[in-house]
Amino acid sequence: AQSVTQLDSHVSVSEGTPVLLRCNYSSSYSPSLFWYVQHPNKGLQLLLKYTSAATLVKGINGFEAEFKKSETSFHLTKPSAHMSDAAEYFCVVSPSTSGTYKYIFGTGTRLKVLA
Amino acid sequence: DTAVSQTPKYLVTQMGNDKSIKCEQNLGHDTMYWYKQDSKKFLKIMFSYNNKELIINETVPNRFSPKSPDKAHLNLHINSLELGDSAVYFCASSQDLAGGSYEQYFGPGTRLTVT
Repeated sequence: AQSVTQLDSHVSVSEGTPVLLRCNYSSSYSPSLFWYVQHPNKGLQLLLKYTSAATLVKGINGFEAEFKKSETSFHLTKPSAHMSDAAEYFCVVSPSTSGTYKYIFGTGTRLKVLA
Repeated sequence: DTAVSQTPKYLVTQMGNDKSIKCEQNLGHDTMYWYKQDSKKFLKIMFSYNNKELIINETVPNRFSPKSPDKAHLNLHINSLELGDSAVYFCASSQDLAGGSYEQYFGPGTRLTVT
């Protein structure tokens, strides 16, 4: 069975410092992986996705993530945090086999950016 | 143009009432979803439709009934509302069923408050 674990429920960084949001997954097959961002009182927006092409994926707003099969990880990073990055972030696995139709959501990481 | 829209955005009602939430997507997608997000931001899949056919029906009380009149619309009707139904409900769509590399597009959410 597929699963996804976001290792930190809360992360605080200072503006201008790097961001690291950690995500580990479990899958019997080569999964598709996504990061979504949810700003307060908004819907979820896709940041980036991995679909078995390049292992380093670039997304919107300067975010990127690296797929590491050996570590079963898909951590989200950004070199320099901005105040507008404060939000909830979700790591999501889409099972790669037919017959399983559920996206598996992590429990979310709340990013706080300090001035 | 809004890709996935929901109405209403806010819904305040009393216990025992019946209410509906409407969702429409203009992306030409085949699959639509309803999610429930609780106060801790956990996202739980409720239902999924593919080409108007019910695909996912999670352990949800019978008081919740989805209806998909066509591929572009997925409505959620809730009977006999209870305090525990208070949450944010998100509609989403994807090009096809999970199991591929298709990202989901989310609506802005409907905040339901039952008093």
